[in-house]
Amino acid sequence: GAVVSQHPSWVICKSGTSVKIECRSLDFQATTMFWYRQFPKQSLMLMATSNEGSKATYEQGVEKDKFLINHASLTLSTLTVTSAHPEDSSFYICSARDPPTPSTDTQYFGPGTRLTVL
Amino acid sequence: AQSVSQHNHHVILSEAASLELGCNYSYGGTVNLFWYVQYPGQHLQLLLKYFSGDPLVKGIKGFEAEFIKSKFSFNLRKPSVQWSDTAEYFCAVNAFDFGNEKLTFGTGTRLTIIP
Repeated sequence: GAVVSQHPSWVICKSGTSVKIECRSLDFQATTMFWYRQFPKQSLMLMATSNEGSKATYEQGVEKDKFLINHASLTLSTLTVTSAHPEDSSFYICSARDPPTPSTDTQYFGPGTRLTVL
Repeated sequence: AQSVSQHNHHVILSEAASLELGCNYSYGGTVNLFWYVQYPGQHLQLLLKYFSGDPLVKGIKGFEAEFIKSKFSFNLRKPSVQWSDTAEYFCAVNAFDFGNEKLTFGTGTRLTIIP
């Protein structure tokens, strides 16, 4: 159980275009999902917390207008990188929390999406 | 804000050697503690977690970790490593007091097991 998928697994795009990344919880409902960014040989940095049916909470320094998050259902959250630039190239990872209560929080991670902006 | 330190950036061991990876965190309140593993080309997987109770927790694949509150530590151990344990290991802390649900990761430790 507790499987999280991401699509696509990798994407290459031109500078200035937008890219959408999907995160799905396959066998459980996730009221809260998280989006991380991982730079080469570095740790995961939380970008935002995505709550179903409400606005995402962004970490300090993360541009809300650039990284649009939509959590329209209990099993799907999307991250759209708008007007992508080469510096946005990175590995984006989502996670979903199961069960939904913080006191027993365990996050399960997706396989990640490698974004390369040319 | 909480922070997590993993002092060993790259550890190289021979098969059958014992392993201990250090993890220290800074947060004065109640925490949930995790170790995640990332095998080459794969996604993060949960190795073990500590919420409360017995400070010595056992995880998958023979790993265990001990929570020492006085030292703010949660070190990962395995008595005898295998080549298949080659991976990146991340310690993570979730301080859920005051509604803070942020999971903070350490910088990771790359473990290389030599056959």
